[in-house]
Amino acid sequence: QVTLKESGPALVKPTQTLTLTCTFSGFSLSTPLMRVNWIRQSPGKALEWLARIDWDDDKIYSTSLKTRLTISKDTSTNRVVLTMTNMDPVDTATYYCARVRAGHDYFDYWGQGTLVTVSS
Amino acid sequence: QAVLTQPSSLSASPGASASLTCTLRTGINVANYRIYWYQQKPGSPPHFLLSYKSDSDKQQGSGVPSRFSGSKDTSANAGILLISGLRSEDEADYYCMIYYGSPVVFGGGTKLTVL
Repeated sequence: QVTLKESGPALVKPTQTLTLTCTFSGFSLSTPLMRVNWIRQSPGKALEWLARIDWDDDKIYSTSLKTRLTISKDTSTNRVVLTMTNMDPVDTATYYCARVRAGHDYFDYWGQGTLVTVSS
Repeated sequence: QAVLTQPSSLSASPGASASLTCTLRTGINVANYRIYWYQQKPGSPPHFLLSYKSDSDKQQGSGVPSRFSGSKDTSANAGILLISGLRSEDEADYYCMIYYGSPVVFGGGTKLTVL
């Protein structure tokens, strides 16, 4: 059974760095072609893709947020970590992690998301 | 101009069909892209419905009923999600997506109301 769960602070202050963890089970990020993505959704707004990390540690970032994002993985503990620097109130959103299964190209499993509010 | 444009809302009656469009920005040819469709209900993450590139290159999500189908309108440069036999449980937000540039781009979403 594949599950993903996001965790992190519910509230961060402007200019702070956000660290989110995606803890998953039911698959291994060591499996060739497996990928984990981060996607966010501001309240009442559309989805926005942020970053992706692949089984071979290849990393891709949103062009618009590239300078603020870092994604990493720990295959021994089945975790993917996303950090976002210089947080701003416009970054208030629900942050999701989602898997792309080996050999496929769509997000087949998603976490429930974690709401992060940026406010002083 | 956004890469993917979706109407913000659409209403349809139970039992009817709904055609949700996803228009690609001028200069991005829909014929070259696979369009992905996700459904999102309040308080839940999105759920993959299907992807469509052509009639011979499409994929239905696991457990997604056949009344959800994809197509393209090349004259309008748009991907289409067709939902037939609408049910109340189809009321949701629907997002299209392509791999382009970022490399993933989502449309702004369409809120489908079934009434």
